[in-house]
Amino acid sequence: NAGVTQTPKFRVLKTGQSMTLLCAQDMNHEYMYWYRQDPGMGLRLIHYSVGEGTTAKGEVPDGYNVSRLKKQNFLLGLESAAPSQTSVYFCASRSFLDVFTDTQYFGPGTRLTVL
Amino acid sequence: LAKTTQPISMDSYEGQEVNITCSHNNIATNDYITWYQQFPSQGPRFIIQGYKTKVTNEVASLFIPADRKSSTLSLPRVSLSDTAVYYCLVVRNSGGYQKVTFGTGTKLQVIP
Repeated sequence: NAGVTQTPKFRVLKTGQSMTLLCAQDMNHEYMYWYRQDPGMGLRLIHYSVGEGTTAKGEVPDGYNVSRLKKQNFLLGLESAAPSQTSVYFCASRSFLDVFTDTQYFGPGTRLTVL
Repeated sequence: LAKTTQPISMDSYEGQEVNITCSHNNIATNDYITWYQQFPSQGPRFIIQGYKTKVTNEVASLFIPADRKSSTLSLPRVSLSDTAVYYCLVVRNSGGYQKVTFGTGTKLQVIP
């Protein structure tokens, strides 16, 4: 089991460019999440999905779009990157069977710099 | 969601027991207390979760008093590899989706 993987690991963009971050999980989890973490800060939820074909906004959704066309994949898109989106992005997944626990499994992160 | 407050940082010597306390005064009946650990350049990792009294696993213990307005994560005999940021979360189970908020966490530095 690879768990949760993220592609790419690092990326540098220029302001206005677009890109897509890919998150993949092989644990057959229903729930998937995208977070961002800025230096010295905790994680903030961008978007999440409770199942294939469904997405919802989190705490800081502006400037991002997501898609969950396949259960195992959750894509995060930046249509027009801005320097304020420089951050480390983490993807996580969780099984809906964990009704009374919050065991989220996190990926290794994608470090994004927008110049 | 109940806001959590925990110390920004702590230092401890190797081999000592470390207790990190988190306050969550506005915790609701349906809320659980969860702790995650994050090493530098890695995603957070689930450590332990509890509702009341005491929970223990192979990694840590979690103590929750009767009023549940605070909780204490206890790490026995820490080693250098326990240097990490520890997050206290209050998790609300809302019909399938669980709302979680990560604060800034407690940065634990273990000293040789």
